[in-house]
Amino acid sequence: DAKTTQPTSMDCAEGRAANLPCNHSTISGNEYVYWYRQIHSQGPQYIIHGLKNNETNEMASLIITEDRKSSTLILPHATLRDTAVYYCISRSGGYNKLIFGAGTRLAVHP
Amino acid sequence: GAGVSQSPSNKVTEKGKDVELRCDPISGHTALYWYRQSLGQGLEFLIYFQGNSAPDKSGLPSDRFSAERTGGSVSTLTIQRTQQEDSAVYLCASSPMWDRDFNEQFFGPGTRLTVL
Repeated sequence: DAKTTQPTSMDCAEGRAANLPCNHSTISGNEYVYWYRQIHSQGPQYIIHGLKNNETNEMASLIITEDRKSSTLILPHATLRDTAVYYCISRSGGYNKLIFGAGTRLAVHP
Repeated sequence: GAGVSQSPSNKVTEKGKDVELRCDPISGHTALYWYRQSLGQGLEFLIYFQGNSAPDKSGLPSDRFSAERTGGSVSTLTIQRTQQEDSAVYLCASSPMWDRDFNEQFFGPGTRLTVL
């Protein structure tokens, strides 16, 4: 599975869009990009995933570059409850295990 | 509906003792995973079950760690002769079926293990 790199931390004002980048320059054609988040003292929570097309759901949008070497998770209107560690994970087919990196610690402030 | 549950929520033990951690996955989920998270660290994969079989045990850190799953449901992670470095939050997750393309894992709240 490809290695991903993310900024260690980011800040965002409440109500503004939070754009969290992820680099996965060694991703292969059959690897998906997944995003999970972990709110303090809770287990991780799935947010969204994609292969090559941009994706949107009720929680977030995922923008994947055409060369698939990077992606951005967008929380369109961040709230204080979005304060969490966000993990970008790439995974190929086969086993279902997720390889978590250090993630990005997002702090949403009033 | 009920999510993934884990027990106990907290466990304090003395070095050298054995501990058992329990995971109840979401009903009907065939895949079950164990991870652990040391203080301030990311999640580390331990073992994966598909049904009662464990095709991937690659993350178990030593032979003091073992896990089993019975009836395709409840799983128990056992740590023998606990060491202080075993202190961590142990997280269990389940997913509904093996799917090589999509894998939403539903996580439990974790068991916080402290080895004195």
